[in-house]
Amino acid sequence: NAGVMQNPRHLVRRRGQEARLRCSPMKGHSHVYWYRQLPEEGLKFMVYLQKENIIDESGMPKERFSAEFPKEGPSILRIQQVVRGDSAAYFCASSPRLRDPAGELFFGEGSRLTVL
Amino acid sequence: GENVEQHPSTLSVQEGDSAVIKCTYSDSASNYFPWYKQELGKRPQLIIDIRSNVGEKKDQRIAVTLNKTAKHFSLHITETQPEDSAVYFCAASLPGFQKLVFGTGTRLLVSP
Repeated sequence: NAGVMQNPRHLVRRRGQEARLRCSPMKGHSHVYWYRQLPEEGLKFMVYLQKENIIDESGMPKERFSAEFPKEGPSILRIQQVVRGDSAAYFCASSPRLRDPAGELFFGEGSRLTVL
Repeated sequence: GENVEQHPSTLSVQEGDSAVIKCTYSDSASNYFPWYKQELGKRPQLIIDIRSNVGEKKDQRIAVTLNKTAKHFSLHITETQPEDSAVYFCAASLPGFQKLVFGTGTRLLVSP
């Protein structure tokens, strides 16, 4: 059973370009989370999605950032007009279903974005 | 919303010593408290978790304690080994919410 797959693992963009980060959850998982990790900092929640629905986007910047999890295919985190402050590691995690209390999140290896 | 604070930010111990990392949370309704380990350049991985109806949980050399009254929980690692060197994150979540709110991390260095 493959784990959470993220690509690309490393991405370099110039200021003003667009970055697209992809995440395929573990098989059987229908819940996806995106977290951002700045150098030497913790994991900051960005967005929580289920198939075709954004459930919680309270951590997403209001501008330039968007996320989707279509019926078919991976979840995509899109950053438009990137700036140097967007340089970070972006981690995707997945879980199998709604649970209360929340259970383990399974993380991917991350996508490291560098903005020149 | 929930807020989690974590201390210390760095911790250096000698091999064989114990290490303790502490976290506090703001919302008394939080009911799930996991700990993740992240090695350099790797993904965070769950090492132990505890639910609010339990005060302590152990798994070999690691243990977690929860004090709901004080709203804090701690990670205890005994007989530390160099391979325990990593960044450790605590987290908390509220009932009905699937997302985890993480602390800022503790960099543990175990010297041989």
